[in-house]
Amino acid sequence: DAGVIQSPRHEVTEMGQEVTLRCKPISGHDYLFWYRQTMMRGLELLIYFNNNVPIDDSGMPEDRFSAKMPNASFSTLKIQPSEPRDSAVYFCASSLGTGLSYEQYFGPGTRLTVT
Amino acid sequence: DQQVKQNSPSLSVQEGRISILNCDYTNSMFDYFLWYKKYPAEGPTFLISISSIKDKNEDGRFTVFLNKSAKHLSLHIVPSQPGDSAVYFCAASVGYSTLTFGKGTMLLVSP
Repeated sequence: DAGVIQSPRHEVTEMGQEVTLRCKPISGHDYLFWYRQTMMRGLELLIYFNNNVPIDDSGMPEDRFSAKMPNASFSTLKIQPSEPRDSAVYFCASSLGTGLSYEQYFGPGTRLTVT
Repeated sequence: DQQVKQNSPSLSVQEGRISILNCDYTNSMFDYFLWYKKYPAEGPTFLISISSIKDKNEDGRFTVFLNKSAKHLSLHIVPSQPGDSAVYFCAASVGYSTLTFGKGTMLLVSP
């Protein structure tokens, strides 16, 4: 298995532009998570899906952030418009089964820089 | 307010010695704890976990200890190897719920 795949690996954009981050979870996993890592706040959960349905988006910082999961093998995290404070590493993770807290498998992350 | 705290941003250890990484939590409802390891430019990978019904779990060179009364857990790596140099995240959950992560501790094991 290729593991969780994220693209792009690096994104540099100007303030005000739209940014779309992509994730392909491990085949068969029914939970998908989006995290953001910053020096100040560490690793924080933004939103998670179960069977393609958003379950909890309370971690999404603002309305500028949105996430979708149109099918079991693809999810996007969109920021529109982007701001310099959105600069961070964004991780996607997936897991299987009833235990949400067990062994989430992380992708390599997307390093976003907003200038 | 951070519910999971890793108060040491970094730790340096010599190869062959013991590494002890610490984690404190404030939510007494947490009943499952995990440690993840992260190398640069990679995502975190699961390392070891412990349920609140136990006070110790061992997997090879890695042992996690849980002290519920002190709301404290620790990860022991014995013996430490240069390949163990990474950022270690402590995480906790309440039952089958989402994970709350600490900010991580960077471990450097020197030859």
